[in-house]
Amino acid sequence: GAGVSQSPSNKVTEKGKDVELRCDPISGHTALYWYRQRLGQGLEFLIYFQGNSAPDKSGLPSDRFSAERTGESVSTLTIQRTQQEDSAVYLCASSLVFGVNYNEQFFGPGTRLTVL
Amino acid sequence: GQQLNQSPQSMFIQEGEDVSMNCTSSSIFNTWLWYKQDPGEGPVLLIALYKAGELTSNGRLTAQFGITRKDSFLNISASIPSDVGIYFCAGQLNFGNEKLTFGTGTRLTIIP
Repeated sequence: GAGVSQSPSNKVTEKGKDVELRCDPISGHTALYWYRQRLGQGLEFLIYFQGNSAPDKSGLPSDRFSAERTGESVSTLTIQRTQQEDSAVYLCASSLVFGVNYNEQFFGPGTRLTVL
Repeated sequence: GQQLNQSPQSMFIQEGEDVSMNCTSSSIFNTWLWYKQDPGEGPVLLIALYKAGELTSNGRLTAQFGITRKDSFLNISASIPSDVGIYFCAGQLNFGNEKLTFGTGTRLTIIP
């Protein structure tokens, strides 16, 4: 498919466990973004990548959250020692280029994380 | 994190009616965007606005970028069943910073 894909689509975990969420951006898109959407809320920015570098990590809620990107492609968002407040849909988006004017961000379907 | 103030929170309308929703911010944005999100999907871009005062249409959708750069509205004319969903405004603060700040959403329901 040509769109952004994310896996898993659903993840249920126990409090205190670590989770990894994966994002496959559209091929050739240099910029990649992670957002969090709590139930009934808008999207909250977490982090973005330009290539494999992350110029803005300001949205990461705590040091339990980290993300990396390799090969200017796949990205992984890791949440350590999950808490119930981490339950949300985690959305990934990618865009063609970065800077100058707005470049449309194409979103994946998200990973729904439930922490019991 | 910061979210834009979006209203109304929800709307219940009959098919064929026009819809209006708006978004306000305490900060200036250089770009305003309107997205639609269907259940289980990521948001999809409807309209992008780049200049203060700009009025842009996309089919039955019309959106405006407020003169103060702190607000925007979206109108949908002659609503149809596929318009059902959640609409989000979003703002980009500065050119060169792709981070988007989203509104709290307007849930549109069409009453049969």
